[in-house]
Amino acid sequence: AQSVTQLGSHVSVSEGALVLLRCNYSSSVPPYLFWYVQYPNQGLQLLLKYTSAATLVKGINGFEAEFKKSETSFHLTKPSAHMRDAAEYFCAVRTQTGNQFYFGTGTSLTVIP
Amino acid sequence: KAGVTQTPRYLIKTRGQQVTLSCSPISGHRSVSWYQQTPGQGLQFLFEYFSETQRNKGNFPGRFSGRQFSNSRSEMNVSTLELGDSALYLCASSLALWTSGSSYEQYFGPGTRLTVT
Repeated sequence: AQSVTQLGSHVSVSEGALVLLRCNYSSSVPPYLFWYVQYPNQGLQLLLKYTSAATLVKGINGFEAEFKKSETSFHLTKPSAHMRDAAEYFCAVRTQTGNQFYFGTGTSLTVIP
Repeated sequence: KAGVTQTPRYLIKTRGQQVTLSCSPISGHRSVSWYQQTPGQGLQFLFEYFSETQRNKGNFPGRFSGRQFSNSRSEMNVSTLELGDSALYLCASSLALWTSGSSYEQYFGPGTRLTVT
């Protein structure tokens, strides 16, 4: 069965520092992987997705993620945090057949001025 | 192009009542999926509708149902509300059937926050 684990429910970084949000999946077949961001009182916005093309995926707002099959990971990074990056981030996995779609429990990112 | 809209945005109901939530997808999108978000369970897939037919369903009781109209608008109904149904209900639309493995993106609405007292 598919599952996705986000390590760290809360992450704090200083403004300008590197952002690293961790996501690991469990699957015998590489699935499709997604990162979403949710701002307070809003729905989810897709940051980026991996669909078996390039392993380094660039998304919006300066975020990127690298798919590492050997580590079954899809960590989200951003070189320099901005105050506006403070939000909840969700990693999600979907089987290539699409009939199973799971979200991680989310990581709340705080950016300290 | 207008995004996904959900109405109402906030709703307060009493235990035992029923509720209907509405979702209007992005113009041209034929797939609408529903999700429940709670602090305890996180985000969970409820079901997906495509061309007025339910195509896939998550692990929720039969009290949760939905339908889709010919214009792709969708409604979700929860009967006999329980306190545990308090949640943010999100809908998302996509051009193609999301649970078929489509590479099209899903676009989420702002959600309806349901509080059951």
